[in-house]
Amino acid sequence: DGGITQSPKYLFRKEGQNVTLSCEQNLNHDAMYWYRQDPGQGLRLIYYSQIVNDFQKGDIAEGYSVSREKKESFPLTVTSAQKNPTAFYLCASSILLGGTGTYNEQFFGPGTRLTVL
Amino acid sequence: SQQGEEDPQALSIQEGENATMNCSYKTSINNLQWYRQNSGRGLVHLILIRSNEREKHSGRLRVTLDTSKKSSSLLITASRAADTASYFCATDALEGGSEKLVFGKGTKLTVNP
Repeated sequence: DGGITQSPKYLFRKEGQNVTLSCEQNLNHDAMYWYRQDPGQGLRLIYYSQIVNDFQKGDIAEGYSVSREKKESFPLTVTSAQKNPTAFYLCASSILLGGTGTYNEQFFGPGTRLTVL
Repeated sequence: SQQGEEDPQALSIQEGENATMNCSYKTSINNLQWYRQNSGRGLVHLILIRSNEREKHSGRLRVTLDTSKKSSSLLITASRAADTASYFCATDALEGGSEKLVFGKGTKLTVNP
């Protein structure tokens, strides 16, 4: 089955710890994205990548880091510098047309719910 | 920054009724998309309408776009309990030299059996 997977589904972190959320896709998409969703809110863009070894900051990148060493993988690290990391994290991917990914539908993973204890 | 705003924030209807959700946005767009999210799950793409289109259909879904009013509506006809979900509009926006997809806060739809 083609799709996008995220793991783990639930993640608990102690204050001061870094954690890494996994995102893998086998759709052969060039572009990948990380979003944060808080209760009753829309999605806010953390980071995105349109090509391997390159990524761009979104609206709320502070306290987060990413890497894109492989086309299929786009892990997100939530660092201890992120002051309020408890949220639902969504990864997405899309094809690129005309040099950007924003004209196309995005395919989403099932999400990771991160809770800081 | 917020580009799309859905209205109403919450909507509760009976099975079989139609549900209409609206989305307003601020700047010019190339396309507008609607997504659905079941509770605690990822988003699923429903429909994309381009700025030169006025109406689009997909099954029980009907989307309209009025670029002069900077607004779109999503109509779900003959609703079912399984349509219970949050619905988000998303618009492409050019910000800081980069193009991105910007989501609204969503409309939470409850369809009562």
